Amino acid sequence: QITLKESGPALVKPTQTLTLTCSFSGFSLTTTGVGVGWIRQPPGKALEWLAVIYWDDDPRYNSSLKTRLTITKDTSKNQVVLTMTNMDPVDTATYYCAHRFNLVPGDVFDVWGQGTMVSVS
Amino acid sequence: DIQMTQSPSSLSASVGDRVTITCQASQDIGNYLSWYQQKPGKAPNLLIYDASRLKTGVPSRFAGSGSGTDFTFTITSLQPEDFATYYCQQYDHFLSFGGGTKVEIK
Repeated sequence: QITLKESGPALVKPTQTLTLTCSFSGFSLTTTGVGVGWIRQPPGKALEWLAVIYWDDDPRYNSSLKTRLTITKDTSKNQVVLTMTNMDPVDTATYYCAHRFNLVPGDVFDVWGQGTMVSVS
Repeated sequence: DIQMTQSPSSLSASVGDRVTITCQASQDIGNYLSWYQQKPGKAPNLLIYDASRLKTGVPSRFAGSGSGTDFTFTITSLQPEDFATYYCQQYDHFLSFGGGTKVEIK
């Protein structure tokens, strides 16, 4: 059974760097085709993809946020870490990590964490 | 970047109704489209991928169709547990989501 869980601060100040950790089980990020992504959702708004990292350590980023994001993996700990610099109140959102669905060639997410709410104030 | 436009943004329907949501891509994405359901306070749940393929375990009242730039999501007979917000997502070039469609009780 695949599970993911996000952790990190609930509150950050403007200009600070946010660090979020996704801890997962039920799969390995060393297996070909596997990936973990981050998606966020401001209160009452739509989903926004942030980043994804694959088994081969290749990261991909949302072009509009690329300069602020870094995604890394620690396969020994079964964790994926997302950092976002220069936080602003508009970055207030629920942040989700999710497992990449490996039946398609692109990035579709079939199992999601519960999400973690981050407020910037 | 590929923009995804969903319509309507919200709709009201009754149990048993047929519900249709459309999603338009700003450029040809082939059939690289998925649909998610999200209930309040919960993470999204994948329903459909490759425009029309149901994820295992998803009820057959959910259906997807389309290719290129125009796609449709249909619930053939709306059930009480289907009241939620639905999102389309393209994965042809990186990935991006539509703005969502909230399905409310009439």
